[in-house]
Amino acid sequence: GAVVSQHPSRVICKSGTSVKIECRSLDFQATTMFWYRQFPKQSLMLMATSNEGSKATYEQGVEKDKFLINHASLTLSTLTVTSAHPEDSSFYICSATTGWSSNQPQHFGDGTRLSIL
Amino acid sequence: QKEVEQDPGPLSVPEGAIVSLNCTYSNSAFQYFMWYRQYSRKGPELLMYTYSSGNKEDGRFTAQVDKSSKYISLFIRDSQPSDSATYLCAMSAKPTDSWGKLQFGAGTQVVVTP
Repeated sequence: GAVVSQHPSRVICKSGTSVKIECRSLDFQATTMFWYRQFPKQSLMLMATSNEGSKATYEQGVEKDKFLINHASLTLSTLTVTSAHPEDSSFYICSATTGWSSNQPQHFGDGTRLSIL
Repeated sequence: QKEVEQDPGPLSVPEGAIVSLNCTYSNSAFQYFMWYRQYSRKGPELLMYTYSSGNKEDGRFTAQVDKSSKYISLFIRDSQPSDSATYLCAMSAKPTDSWGKLQFGAGTQVVVTP
């Protein structure tokens, strides 16, 4: 159980393009989803937290207008990197938690490797 | 100083040996402790999840939490080449479904040689 699917797994696109990444909880309802960014050989850095039906909460230093997050349903959250530039190239990972009760850990997707040329 | 410290390794062990991993932390509010395994180009996979102090065992994996020392450990018995991965410790002051943010360690790269 607790499977999180992330799509696409790999994106290569030109500078200036906007890229949308989807995160789905396949077998549970995720009231809360998290978006992380990971650079090579570094740990995960939380970008934002999103609750279904409300605006995302962004971490300090993360541009809201650059990284648009939508959590329209209990099983889907999307991250859109707008007007992407080479410095946005990174590994983006989402996670989800059930929210049914306390003490539930986060379950992660397999990540999206974004390369901006 | 980082809130969570973890030696990045690499840690190389022969097959069958015990792998010993640990993290230290500075925030005494942390109560929820997790270990994740991450293979190259994949997302982290939850291995162990513990609340407060104590030990927890699951198959070949044992997690220990010592809140008085702000120190957590993960032991992998009878290690296999398939255990070669990066192991991340993570911790939170609140349950993550209550907006509890995870603080991750840098991850320790483990290599189990046949």
